[in-house]
Amino acid sequence: SSELTQDPAVSVALGQTVRITCQGDSLRSYYASWHQQKPGQAPINVIYGKNNRPSGIPDRFSGSTSGNTASLTITGAQAEDEADYYCNSRDSSGKYVIFGGGTKLTVL
Amino acid sequence: QLQLQESGPGLVKPSETLSLTCIVSGGSVSSSDYYWGWIRQPPGKGLEWIGSIYYSGITYYNPSLKSRVTLSVDTSKNQFSLKLSSVTAADTAVYYCVRQSTQGDYWGQGTLVIVSS
Repeated sequence: SSELTQDPAVSVALGQTVRITCQGDSLRSYYASWHQQKPGQAPINVIYGKNNRPSGIPDRFSGSTSGNTASLTITGAQAEDEADYYCNSRDSSGKYVIFGGGTKLTVL
Repeated sequence: QLQLQESGPGLVKPSETLSLTCIVSGGSVSSSDYYWGWIRQPPGKGLEWIGSIYYSGITYYNPSLKSRVTLSVDTSKNQFSLKLSSVTAADTAVYYCVRQSTQGDYWGQGTLVIVSS
């Protein structure tokens, strides 16, 4: 399969926990990465591999995978976490990079 | 500190070739640890992978764009480049260069390319 599916929009109350999901058959074989994009800015990688954070990413961001679903969890969401979040991975052949359609996170 | 800087024309005419270069500083395109890629984002839309290149010249292209895309790497100038031929208005987007690895991805700031006559 060459598709990753994300919910278009998710909201969370300030300080609460939110999970953003990404579904696709290739996730049974390859980890997802997660990228945060704020308006007018370039994306930044927040999670890669099994559950790794690049330097500078707060530890309230974590990743997990179960079956064909990858999840990005923000524990104690902050106002500055309001952004679009994109998952990406490999397609089932492993050759090509694919992206989910993105999830707009609103922090209430 | 790694920096990726996209450069190239911000306006391209329909049917012509879009050419962008990503200048890498604070890192080496000759490293065997990374792939160097291009990703684009049409205004108000999501991200689309265009292709990736290894320092040796091995390339991978998005099947939907493969017939129009050429990636190259210049290790002497520490940069890599994108050419997209026969552009149309649908190719209008912010184009990002990205360093890709199993240790995470690093994005350039992006450059807007408008296809218009």
